[in-house]
Amino acid sequence: DIVMTQSPDSLAVSLGERATINCKSSQSVLYNSNNKNYLAWYQQKPGQPPKLLIYWASTRESGVPDRFSGSGSGTDFTLTISSLQAEDVAVYHCQQHLFFPYTFGQGTKVEIK
Amino acid sequence: QVQLQESGPEQVKPSATLSLICTVSGDSITGYYWSWIRQPPGKGLEWIGYIHYSGTTRYNPSLKSRASISLDTSKNQLSLKVTSVTAADTAVYYCARLTDHGWCSYWGQGALVPVSS
Repeated sequence: DIVMTQSPDSLAVSLGERATINCKSSQSVLYNSNNKNYLAWYQQKPGQPPKLLIYWASTRESGVPDRFSGSGSGTDFTLTISSLQAEDVAVYHCQQHLFFPYTFGQGTKVEIK
Repeated sequence: QVQLQESGPEQVKPSATLSLICTVSGDSITGYYWSWIRQPPGKGLEWIGYIHYSGTTRYNPSLKSRASISLDTSKNQLSLKVTSVTAADTAVYYCARLTDHGWCSYWGQGALVPVSS
């Protein structure tokens, strides 16, 4: 199975500051045939299901604020929240969707400092 | 607006079979892939498997053939069965609609299923 490792496990950021979450896959999730990275990001607030934020590593889902951005390729990816808002407090998960079983990172908890 | 709602028992005894149903509203289940994903308390997400409306299924080998997923198109529902459960199967179980490329675009609210005697 592809192992997805996120760092850090948790971080505290001041309101309005940048939050950066990293995700590393044990194998490349770049599919050479279409040059797309099969990497998605989800946000999960307490007591709620995950919500899709980003797919293809950098494409924002419709309705997701543009302060959320994804980057990276191959095995190393980053989710950035450019200006943290109170409603962004959540656990963030990365997921590779190239190899089955699809696998998730362990999650990164984002809190307000 | 597509909505998914899981339903099932409040508790399952060890060695029994866990059965869950996901009722889909706002769209037909035909034409899509559907998944079950679980999350043990305080832990990360684990993919259980998926089914396509054509009947194609794939399961996570980690469940050692204990899981099965099916569709009931007449009721617009999908179901999950996990046999021979242990405490390690205690989790919130989510159903989700999967895109052709493998990410989940819609999720149910989840159903917590404790395995306990």
